Amino acid sequence: EPEVTQTPSHQVTQMGQEVILRCVPISNHLYFYWYRQILGQKVEFLVSFYNNEISEKSEIFDDQFSVERPDGSNFTLKIRSTKLEDSAMYFCASIPNPNYGYTFGSGTRLTVV
Amino acid sequence: SQQGEEDPQALSIQEGENATMNCSYKTSINNLQWYRQNSGRGLVHLILIRSNEREKHSGRLRVTLDTSKKSSSLLITASRAADTASYFCATVLMMEYGNKLVFGAGTILRVKS
Repeated sequence: EPEVTQTPSHQVTQMGQEVILRCVPISNHLYFYWYRQILGQKVEFLVSFYNNEISEKSEIFDDQFSVERPDGSNFTLKIRSTKLEDSAMYFCASIPNPNYGYTFGSGTRLTVV
Repeated sequence: SQQGEEDPQALSIQEGENATMNCSYKTSINNLQWYRQNSGRGLVHLILIRSNEREKHSGRLRVTLDTSKKSSSLLITASRAADTASYFCATVLMMEYGNKLVFGAGTILRVKS
């Protein structure tokens, strides 16, 4: 069964450093998402991406965050200057169209120290 | 804001028993989805029920939707130890391009063998 692949599975970074979280969505999917889950809290929407541009972003997704789909397969989330409160699990997801359930990757655990 | 809120927060049952989890939400929906999350892992899509459907089955899972009460339930029959996980309902918020999921806080299910 097709999978959404995320790398790395765990990233530790110093506060203020830039991190790039990588995702390879399912190849024929058209809608891409990033969600995050702070330990013990709800899964929160960050951003959606369609037709090579952001279609929606949450209040969390401020100027420190950016997303790119640099080629036909990768979908990246960049955090420019990490803060302690950015520590969370970050999940990538994709769907072929809005009538489907999401396929999530297994997540990247980001720890900012 | 549109949110799925599950109850109970935690449920502990014996293997073989049925587990019922409930979800309430606040606004009109296009569809509602249930996801499972094993500890520290990614979210797995279980079932999607559209707003014009009242009940849906998938294996040992049965989902109901009552749009007049803005509520849904997930029933897992003949539970197994492997069903131990967190279960989330997610309401679907339509956007101009695509949609986004709004997750509830989840129910932690423990199935004792």
